[in-house]
Amino acid sequence: AQTVTQSQPEMSVQEAETVTLSCTYDTSESDYYLFWYKQPPSRQMILVIRQEAYKQQNATENRFSVNFQKAAKSFSLKISDSQLGDAAMYFCAYRSGGDSNYQLIWGAGTKLIIKP
Amino acid sequence: NAGVTQTPKFQVLKTGQSMTLQCAQDMNHEYMSWYRQDPGMGLRLIHYSVGAGITDQGEVPNGYNVSRSTTEDFPLRLLSAAPSQTSVYFCASSHPGPNTEAFFGQGTRLTVV
Repeated sequence: AQTVTQSQPEMSVQEAETVTLSCTYDTSESDYYLFWYKQPPSRQMILVIRQEAYKQQNATENRFSVNFQKAAKSFSLKISDSQLGDAAMYFCAYRSGGDSNYQLIWGAGTKLIIKP
Repeated sequence: NAGVTQTPKFQVLKTGQSMTLQCAQDMNHEYMSWYRQDPGMGLRLIHYSVGAGITDQGEVPNGYNVSRSTTEDFPLRLLSAAPSQTSVYFCASSHPGPNTEAFFGQGTRLTVV
């Protein structure tokens, strides 16, 4: 079974600085997709960025980028120029490319605190 | 743009009571699912549906029922609430496919006393 591990329960960063959130996963599959979701205090899950395992190029969305290391099964999220609105829980999630249930396997989350 | 709408946002139940969490989406998504979120854990899949009339069990289905009579609606029923079902429940919808974005409702915080 696939598992996702986020080893940092909480991280803090100064506003305008850069922070990296860690995520590792365990799988024997070669076809899969990885996601980072943000959960602000409003509770709603919001997609931040996604990565296809077959793509070597790291995904980027504005200030958010990933460092995808397939051999190491690592998928970290880098947030540049941190803003107060980035404060939230961040969840890493895995989805198999072959499962018909499209289940997302989630990590336990990292709470990101932005210091003004 | 309503997206995924869940009701209620908060609910307190007594042990043994039943209730239905409502979920509706207006994006014509075929795939819908229910997750629960517990402290210190990632979300876990309860039930899912790949289209109207089709439902299946996820990782933690015991104590829950679902039905999908229309594309838009996917209610989750708690048959006889137990304290172990105290959790935050999320409904999500997406187009089918492993790379598609899942859209989530705002969640229902359920407390069973």
